[in-house]
Amino acid sequence: DQQVKQNSPSLSVQEGRISILNCDYTNSMFDYFLWYKKYPAEGPTFLISISSIKDKNEDGRFTVFLNKSAKHLSLHIVPSQPGDSAVYFCAASRVWNAGGTSYGKLTFGQGTILTVHP
Amino acid sequence: DAGVTQSPTHLIKTRGQQVTLRCSPKSGHDTVSWYQQALGQGPQFIFQYYEEEERQRGNFPDRFSGHQFPNYSSELNVNALLLGDSALYLCASSLDVYNEQFFGPGTRLTVL
Repeated sequence: DQQVKQNSPSLSVQEGRISILNCDYTNSMFDYFLWYKKYPAEGPTFLISISSIKDKNEDGRFTVFLNKSAKHLSLHIVPSQPGDSAVYFCAASRVWNAGGTSYGKLTFGQGTILTVHP
Repeated sequence: DAGVTQSPTHLIKTRGQQVTLRCSPKSGHDTVSWYQQALGQGPQFIFQYYEEEERQRGNFPDRFSGHQFPNYSSELNVNALLLGDSALYLCASSLDVYNEQFFGPGTRLTVL
């Protein structure tokens, strides 16, 4: 049961243009969403996140949009740079409390390979 | 400030063997999570440790076990290795479950 889906395995963009990476989820209990970037031979690096109470979060060239009714989020990179070429993972989290203990884990999508051409 | 470190970088084992992977969390972090990333897939949650106890577990068999030490470092053990266990194993640390997880570079395990 793939609760987080990135339906585009790859995306190719020209330098300076906008890159839009998409992610869909099925579990309405998710309350926190994150984007990670991964270069070969490295672990995923946190990029940007958004709480379910917001619909937009911006950090420099990176903006994440959340549409809760559609269970969809997207990452916009403007302007795209060749150094942005990497695998981008969407992840969702749900934190809950039971018996005085907090629980939470990340559920990842399959990833999208972004290539930015000079 | 050192980030999350993992050892070894690469490992080759044969079917039926046992393996231990190690992780040191980012300074100040008390929660360690382990993930398995198969080729072409996103990381899949194995389990999470907090205060030296397994707090929650993903859909992985009992062959996968772990441990967390008083200094918050952690080990992942896999017994009776199968070919399908070949993957990149990622360790992530965080300050409890409410904050972003920081990942190590991973251990590439190949089972022959």
